Amino acid sequence: GNSVTQMEGPVTLSEEAFLTINCTYTATGYPSLFWYVQYPGEGLQLLLKATKADDKGSNKGFEATYRKETTSFHLEKGSVQVSDSAVYFCALNSGGSNYKLTFGKGTLLTVNP
Amino acid sequence: SAVISQKPSRDICQRGTSLTIQCQVDSQVTMMFWYRQQPGQSLTLIATANQGSEATYESGFVIDKFPISRPNLTFSTLTVSNMSPEDSSIYLCSVQGAQGNTIYFGEGSWLTVV
Repeated sequence: GNSVTQMEGPVTLSEEAFLTINCTYTATGYPSLFWYVQYPGEGLQLLLKATKADDKGSNKGFEATYRKETTSFHLEKGSVQVSDSAVYFCALNSGGSNYKLTFGKGTLLTVNP
Repeated sequence: SAVISQKPSRDICQRGTSLTIQCQVDSQVTMMFWYRQQPGQSLTLIATANQGSEATYESGFVIDKFPISRPNLTFSTLTVSNMSPEDSSIYLCSVQGAQGNTIYFGEGSWLTVV
């Protein structure tokens, strides 16, 4: 079955530091890959996505590239802000007509001023 | 993306009672889903809410505990029945977006069972 493995948190960075959160996956077929973000006390928001190999998703300064050869979708940001403090979830669905999402365990990011 | 509204946003419930969560979408959507997020955990799919037919439940979730309704293409309810403290979770409604394979989430309903 499908699975997503995320870097264990928590991750604590200083403002303007470089961020990487690792995500690898196991899936059948041609999955679509997602990063969701959950700010404190809120629901999930879609941060970015990629639907095929070598696609790069980007939003709000965050980027992730769909790497089929390494089955990875690492999240990066060049300069984090305090407002980026949140829990980040990597997820996939199998594509086609299967919309069920499989989530990683989430990574808590805290950015200090 | 669709605007998804959930009610209640938060509630504190007594053990043994049941609570119904409502999910309203501002546009017609084909696929609606209910997820659970237990404290400090990731999200788990409870079921797919099917319009006009019974919901499709994931392994470990049953209709008697989590009855779901989907009377039309913009609305669904999830009931958490005979609650125990283990049911304290965030329950999230989600929908398939217009772009097909993207899933959007509501703000969640944060339930605490005492």
